[in-house]
Amino acid sequence: SQQGEEDPQALSIQEGENATMNCSYKTSINNLQWYRQNSGRGLVHLILIRSNEREKHSGRLRVTLDTSKKSSSLLITASRAADTASYFCATDARAAGNKLTFGGGTRVLVKP
Amino acid sequence: DAGVTQSPTHLIKTRGQHVTLRCSPISGHKSVSWYQQVLGQGPQFIFQYYEKEERGRGNFPDRFSARQFPNYSSELNVNALLLGDSALYLCASSFLAVATETQYFGPGTRLLVL
Repeated sequence: SQQGEEDPQALSIQEGENATMNCSYKTSINNLQWYRQNSGRGLVHLILIRSNEREKHSGRLRVTLDTSKKSSSLLITASRAADTASYFCATDARAAGNKLTFGGGTRVLVKP
Repeated sequence: DAGVTQSPTHLIKTRGQHVTLRCSPISGHKSVSWYQQVLGQGPQFIFQYYEKEERGRGNFPDRFSARQFPNYSSELNVNALLLGDSALYLCASSFLAVATETQYFGPGTRLLVL
C-alpha cells in the first residue's frame, strides 16, 4: 500500500505558468521528499522537507508541509517544457520502519 | 563520476522462470535499495542493504531475494515469476542507510513476464 496520494493525478499547463501538486499521507512522518521521473526512467531527488519545517525553496521549486493536515504541496514556478515529468512525494515514517514510501504520482505536461 | 548503473535494461521472461537483476551503486555509496514500480504507480520498496546486510524488507513474497557484495553492488532475484511481476525495477544508492539521505536512482530494468 502507498502512504502518499498525489492530487491531481495529471496536470497540463502552458510554458511559463505555475504548476501545483499536492500530496496527502496517512501516518505521522519524519520527513517528506519530492522526486521527479522522466519517461518511466530513474527518479531524481528534488527536495526534502523535515517534519518541523513548514516551507522550503530550491530554485523554481517551493514545497510546503502541513503536518496537522498531513499534506504537502509542490509548486513549480515559471514552468518549462523540460519540467514535463511525473512527480512523486515520498515519506519516511516510524510506522513504515523509516523506509521511503512513495505516492502514486502526478503526471505533469508542460506545453510549449 | 558514473551514476547508479543497472543491467539489463530490458528483460522478457515467461511465467515460472527466474530472473536476476544487477545494480552498481555510485562509488563510495554503501547502501543499495530496490524498488518495484508497476506502470502508472509509484515505486514500492522491496529491500535495502547496507554493508552487505539486509536493513529492511518491504511487503513482498519470499520469491523475492537480494544480496549485496563486498564491492557494494547488489543483485535482486525473483523466482517463479508471475505476470504481476512485470514492472520497472529500480535500484537506488546512498552513502548511509537512513531515509534522510538522498537516494540516487538508476535508470531501471524493465521486466516483462509473459
